[in-house]
Amino acid sequence: RKEVEQDPGPFNVPEGATVAFNCTYSNSASQSFFWYRQDCRKEPKLLMSVYSSGNEDGRFTAQLNRASQYISLLIRDSKLSDSATYLCVVNEGHTGNQFYFGTGTSLTVIP
Amino acid sequence: DGGITQSPKYLFRKEGQNVTLSCEQNLNHDAMYWYRQDPGQGLRLIYYSQIVNDFQKGDIAEGYSVSREKKESFPLTVTSAQKNPTAFYLCASSPGTPEAGELFFGEGSRLTVL
Repeated sequence: RKEVEQDPGPFNVPEGATVAFNCTYSNSASQSFFWYRQDCRKEPKLLMSVYSSGNEDGRFTAQLNRASQYISLLIRDSKLSDSATYLCVVNEGHTGNQFYFGTGTSLTVIP
Repeated sequence: DGGITQSPKYLFRKEGQNVTLSCEQNLNHDAMYWYRQDPGQGLRLIYYSQIVNDFQKGDIAEGYSVSREKKESFPLTVTSAQKNPTAFYLCASSPGTPEAGELFFGEGSRLTVL
């Protein structure tokens, strides 16, 4: 079983749409959670950390459900520039401080 | 500016040759990581290091070697024993504590074996 699982998509949505991605993780002791954005042939860049209380940054909202072990990312009013692959990343926080990556969800915003 | 520098950005290698990818960070981070990414796939951990002079194998360490002689440097050698080395290699660092566990990435090195 994979540590972190995401629906690979692709998600193709029109501009202005709202789109949501989910991610599940297997280790209930995981400590830190993140969403990264990766553009084609580039390195991943942090989009936002995910906190237990949920957090919002402009059009982006991230939520964590520890009981069900899933993380979500909501993008409102999609822009063409939001087209990218979104990676769910989980850190166990134990010795080794390892990060576990989902395979990513591909989003294309269509004019 | 603080960050992670990887070099070279593009590298071509003949079969049977070893190559070394450089990774330098000036973020004063304790932990450093090497990942491999293949087209359409997620990141896979090759090696990581939590402290100078110590490193651990990741999920796909075979055919690779690393060193951590200085806090700011974590070079990766792709040896001739690596059967399918063509890939995008990403170096990353983090402060090393769970509470500040964000990963910072370099721009990556794209290796092609001819």
